[in-house]
This record gives sequence, structure tokens and C-alpha cells, in this order.
Amino acid sequence: AQRVTQPEKLLSVFKGAPVELKCNYSYSGSPELFWYVQYSRQRLQLLLRHISRESIKGFTADLNKGETSFHLKKPFAQEEDSAMYYCALSGDSGYSTLTFGKGTMLLVSP
Amino acid sequence: DVKVTQSSRYLVKRTGEKVFLECVQDMDHENMFWYRQDPGLGLRLIYFSYDVKMKEKGDIPEGYSVSREKKERFSLILESASTNQTSMYLCASSRQGRRTSYEQYFGPGTRLTVT
Repeated sequence: AQRVTQPEKLLSVFKGAPVELKCNYSYSGSPELFWYVQYSRQRLQLLLRHISRESIKGFTADLNKGETSFHLKKPFAQEEDSAMYYCALSGDSGYSTLTFGKGTMLLVSP
Repeated sequence: DVKVTQSSRYLVKRTGEKVFLECVQDMDHENMFWYRQDPGLGLRLIYFSYDVKMKEKGDIPEGYSVSREKKERFSLILESASTNQTSMYLCASSRQGRRTSYEQYFGPGTRLTVT
């Protein structure tokens, strides 16, 4: 069975501070990992995926297969980063199904 | 611009009522999904469909059924609503790929309250 763990329900930081949202997964095959974000009053949307290896809105995430982790990082948080962040895993079902973590609320204070 | 729409933003139903939640996508996507989103529990997959008339159970299918008669439309049905089905329901769609998983596009959600 596949599982995604986000250990923090809430992460509160000050503007300009570094941010790391943790994500660990459990999957026996070769996973694809994603971060989705939901800003207040907006729909859930893709932030980034590990195979793209790109930085979106200053966020990066590296897949560490040894530690089975996919932590989301940003060196300098901005107030507009405040949102709910979900880590998600896709196995090899072929149907793009996702297993989501429980989410971490990021609050960036001025 | 990609678009997934859901028939209602807010819905209030009584216990025992039959409830239909509708989702429409205009991206010609093969896959469609229904999730429920609860605080502290994240998103949980109820059902998904990979083609017209095809459906697969997700992690929490009990108490729900689905229908996909047309490629663009995916309906979630609560045969007899119960208070523990009070939740935010999200619909999503994606392309289908064998070697990779494609981005899921989400609708705005339907907040269902069962009293």
C-alpha cells in the first residue's frame, strides 16, 4: 500500500525566513511525487512535480529515494505563500491516481 | 484555459435524501476523479473513471456511487445521504498516460452539508 506522511499540520514562519515542508512516502515501486497547493478561496492546483526538477514561485523539492522524502523548500518565505500544501504520490496504476498527505498549512507572518 | 466545473458550490440535504454532484470538464481528459476533503484528513479518493462507463473504487467508496455516461461528465451519487458525508467534495480530471502521471485539474469544490 502507498502512503504519504506530512508530519506538520501547521507551519508558521516570518516573512523572509526559510521554509521546509516535510513529506515522506511509502511505496514499493517507482513513485512520482507532486506538491499541490490551495490558496484561500482558490481551487487546488499543481505547484511542482519531481520529474520536472524546476523551481516554481521560488519553491523546490528534491526526491530522496534513500530517505523516501520529497520535502518542499523555499529560502525566503513571502506572505503570499500562505496556503495549504499537499504532498501527493502517484504509483504505477497507469491512471494518474494520487494518494495525498493530510496537508500542511503554511502561515507567513509579516 | 483548462476548466473543471461543479454544479453547486454549496448544498444542504437531509439525511436519507439521494444526492447528485455533477462535474464537467472541457479538456477532453480521459480520467476523472472524485475526492472528499476533510480538515486533518487531507484528500481521499472516492472513485475514479478512466473512460466512459468505466469506474474504479478509490480508498473510501462506501456509501457512494458514480456515473460516467459522457466523456466530459462525471457524477457522484449519494444513494442515502448521512451526516458523516458532510464534507467538501472535489472533482478533478487528467490526461491518461501509461508511463507517467499527468497533472490533475481540480474543480472549485462542493460543500455538502447533510442535516
